[in-house]
Amino acid sequence: EAQVTQNPRYLITVTGKKLTVTCSQNMNHEYMSWYRQDPGLGLRQIYYSMNVEVTDKGDVPEGYKVSRKEKRNFPLILESPSPNQTSLYFCASTSSTGSYGYTFGSGTRLTVV
Amino acid sequence: QKEVEQNSGPLSVPEGAIASLNCTYSDRGSQSFFWYRQYSGKSPELIMFIYSNGDKEDGRFTAQLNKASQYVSLLIRDSQPSDSATYLCAVPASKIIFGSGTRLSIRP
Repeated sequence: EAQVTQNPRYLITVTGKKLTVTCSQNMNHEYMSWYRQDPGLGLRQIYYSMNVEVTDKGDVPEGYKVSRKEKRNFPLILESPSPNQTSLYFCASTSSTGSYGYTFGSGTRLTVV
Repeated sequence: QKEVEQNSGPLSVPEGAIASLNCTYSDRGSQSFFWYRQYSGKSPELIMFIYSNGDKEDGRFTAQLNKASQYVSLLIRDSQPSDSATYLCAVPASKIIFGSGTRLSIRP
C-alpha cells in the first residue's frame, strides 16, 4: 500500500530534550515536506526537500532541522524543543511535478512541557 | 494578499442540501488545483483535483474552475453528516500552497 509513515503518533516531552520525528514514504517520491498545524493558522510549511541531499526552509523553520540522506526518509529534528513547538505535525510527499497532490502521513501530536 | 484564500467558516448546511466551498488564488499561472478534506485531528485527504476550466464531477463532489476569475470551488451534493470537516484548497507553485481551510458543518 502506498503510504507515508510517521512516528510517533503522540509524543510528550520536556523543554530542551532533543527529539526526532521520523517520516518514511514508499512511493519513490522526490519531494517531501514537513508541516505544522495550529488552530486558526492552517498548515504552515517547516522544511521541504526536492530530492536526496536537497533541503530548504519553508515558512516557519526556526527551531527545526531536517536531513534527506535517503529518498524514502525525511526526519524532523527538534534539537531543543520549546513549548511553542507544541503542535500537530504532518509529513507529506509528492512526485517531482506535484501533479497528483500530496500524500500525508497520519500526523504526530507533540506536546512540549 | 495571501496566495490562496478561503473563508474560514464555519459553514453550516442542512443535511441533504448542497454545500458550496470557494477558494481564490493569486497566481494567474497556476495550472492545477486540489481539494483536501481534513477531519479534526486527522491528516488531510485528497478528494478532488482539477486542471481544466469548467466542472469535474466525482460522485457527490463537483470541482469548478474559473481561471479567468481565479477561483475554484467545491460543491458537495446531498450533504451528509460525515461531510462535516475542514476543506482545504491547494495550489501547486514552487511548492504546494494551502489555503487556511473552510470548516463545514452538516446539521441533521
